[in-house]
Amino acid sequence: NAGVTQTPKFQVLKTGQSMTLQCAQDMNHEYMSWYRQDPGMGLRLIHYSVGAGITDQGEVPNGYNVSRSTTEDFPLRLLSAAPSQTSVYFCASSRISGRASNEQFFGPGTRLTVL
Amino acid sequence: AQTVTQSQPEMSVQEAETVTLSCTYDTSESDYYLFWYKQPPSRQMILVIRQEAYKQQNATENRFSVNFQKAAKSFSLKISDSQLGDAAMYFCAYSPDYFGNEKLTFGTGTRLTIIP
Repeated sequence: NAGVTQTPKFQVLKTGQSMTLQCAQDMNHEYMSWYRQDPGMGLRLIHYSVGAGITDQGEVPNGYNVSRSTTEDFPLRLLSAAPSQTSVYFCASSRISGRASNEQFFGPGTRLTVL
Repeated sequence: AQTVTQSQPEMSVQEAETVTLSCTYDTSESDYYLFWYKQPPSRQMILVIRQEAYKQQNATENRFSVNFQKAAKSFSLKISDSQLGDAAMYFCAYSPDYFGNEKLTFGTGTRLTIIP
């Protein structure tokens, strides 16, 4: 049971380049989400999904796209990277049940630098 | 929109002593969940403790306990018998209680240093 995995762990991009951050979970969780962590700002929600084929925007969605074709995978796409997207990105997953008390499991994070 | 405020950017405590980290939040909801997450230098986010707003009893997990004051919208974390391994960033987080809504709103974090 690998939990939540993220690749790559580190990435350096040039402004305008595109890339995809990968996230996968093997716990059959319905809910998956992406957060970014910036110094002094805590974690902020980018996009989330409550199941395959269903995605929605979080607090800071601009510049990012997501899709959810399977339960296991939830990739985050940067279409045209900007220096403001330099951050640490976390993927998380959890079950969905009657009450929103389920523990969210976080991946190890991806540190992205945009030059 | 909900907000979570951690007013202590940094705290330090002597090993084996007790420390309390503060968190306040703002919401118009009556049912919700509150969490404390720990982030050690490894960057991994680890759930420390959670509190359901509809429960009056404060949650405890071994050396970790909370003081949940619903009317004051306050949710502090007490760490007893502090250990070197407790050194980390601690984040307070809020989640509304809607079916299928697992979204977390985080505070800005408190960096805890343990003094040997």
